[in-house]
Amino acid sequence: GAVVSQHPSRVICKSGTSVKIECRSLDFQATTMFWYRQFPKQSLMLMATSNEGSKATYEQGVEKDKFLINHASLTLSTLTVTSAHPEDSSFYICSARGSSPNTEAFFGQGTRLTVV
Amino acid sequence: AQSVAQPEDQVNVAEGNPLTVKCTYSVSGNPYLFWYVQYPNRGLQFLLKYITGDNLVKGSYGFEAEFNKSQTSFHLKKPSALVSDSALYFCAVRDGRGSQGNLIFGKGTKLSVKP
Repeated sequence: GAVVSQHPSRVICKSGTSVKIECRSLDFQATTMFWYRQFPKQSLMLMATSNEGSKATYEQGVEKDKFLINHASLTLSTLTVTSAHPEDSSFYICSARGSSPNTEAFFGQGTRLTVV
Repeated sequence: AQSVAQPEDQVNVAEGNPLTVKCTYSVSGNPYLFWYVQYPNRGLQFLLKYITGDNLVKGSYGFEAEFNKSQTSFHLKKPSALVSDSALYFCAVRDGRGSQGNLIFGKGTKLSVKP
């Protein structure tokens, strides 16, 4: 299957700082990328959907000014957690899809963010 | 509204026995159905999908799933479980009318296979 690389896999940051997470599709063009957040022992909660070259569409309750998403190319999307707080600590996962309507989404390895 | 239900939080199976992980769905259009597996602290790995065609779908690692339209179910099955199959399994649905739409995930089922 297609490969989606997410970096970093783990990050620890201080409260008030910003953290950037990268999501790259290595062998296909990702016209759509999704960012999810997963709490312990829970399912994935969609945060936002981004199409290349367009502004991201955020789910209800997700602060767009806090979780900045950029999808500037067909192979790269970034999620920046701004002014991080301990409650932002979580497992963040990206996924990417090509343009074909029947294609499945491929997921990155996830990023464990810990804000101290 | 689209939704996915995985009624079991955990499924326990002895190695070598068949396993079933249940999933039911609700969509307004034709469903696109998926199964993913997640190992600890990892992203999700695609197992199989149903878009159209044969109701029995075969996927990775010997897994298969049967689409049942009348029961709105898409249960994941494997004839003989392995200890290495122990993981978290997610069923997901995408509304076929929105081909670019995101996946809606079930809450996940933890599969535990004992030797």
